[in-house]
Amino acid sequence: NAGVTQTPKFQVLKTGQSMTLQCAQDMNHNSMYWYRQDPGMGLRLIYYSASEGTTDKGEVPNGYNVSRLNKREFSLRLESAAPSQTSVYFCASSEGPLKNEQFFGPGTRLTVL
Amino acid sequence: DAKTTQPNSMESNEEEPVHLPCNHSTISGTDYIHWYRQLPSQGPEYVIHGLTSNVNNRMASLAIAEDRKSSTLILHRATLRDAAVYYCILSNSGYALNFGKGTSLLVTP
Repeated sequence: NAGVTQTPKFQVLKTGQSMTLQCAQDMNHNSMYWYRQDPGMGLRLIYYSASEGTTDKGEVPNGYNVSRLNKREFSLRLESAAPSQTSVYFCASSEGPLKNEQFFGPGTRLTVL
Repeated sequence: DAKTTQPNSMESNEEEPVHLPCNHSTISGTDYIHWYRQLPSQGPEYVIHGLTSNVNNRMASLAIAEDRKSSTLILHRATLRDAAVYYCILSNSGYALNFGKGTSLLVTP
C-alpha cells in the first residue's frame, strides 16, 4: 500500500496564479483532510471531507476550495495564490471520526512569490 | 476543544527511556488524548491515543493520570530515529486535530 500520496512535492507560484494540489489514499478511508503548516508552527486544518460527497471548512479555509472527487481522492485548489499561502500542505485520511488515527502524506512545499 | 500544555523541548540519551509530559487541566470527560509525532521534513505520524486507561502499543506507552488532567508519553528506549516534534492533542468532536507547537525531542548518542 502506498498510503497517502500527494502531488506535486514542490511548487513555486507567482502571486495571482492558480493551482490544484492532489491527494489520494488507497486505504479505503472515509474521511480526508487538508492541513497547512507554517514555519515553526503546528498544523492547521483547512478543509475536511467526513465522507464521500461532503466537505466542511476547518480553521483556515479562506482562499482555498476543495473537491472530494471520489472516495480515494481529495484535491485542494488555490484560485489566486497569495504570499501568505506559502506553506507546507499535508493531506491526511482516516477511517472516520477522531478516535481513529489519521494517516498523513509527505506534504507539498508551496512558495508564492 | 480543551487546551494542552507541553514543554517546548526535551533532551534524552540514546537507549534511555523518555517521558514526555502533557498537561490538560480543562479536559472534558469525552476528550480523547492523542499523540502524534513529526520527524524532520515529514508528515505527522500517529503514535498512540487513549481515553481513561493506560495504553501500550509497539511504539510507546501512554500513561493517563487518574483525574485525566495530565498524561505522559513514554518511549521505552529512545533511538536517534525518535528525534521529532511530539504533539499531544485532545478532541471529542468533529474531525479536526488541533496541533499546537508540541515538544521537540533531541536524542543524543
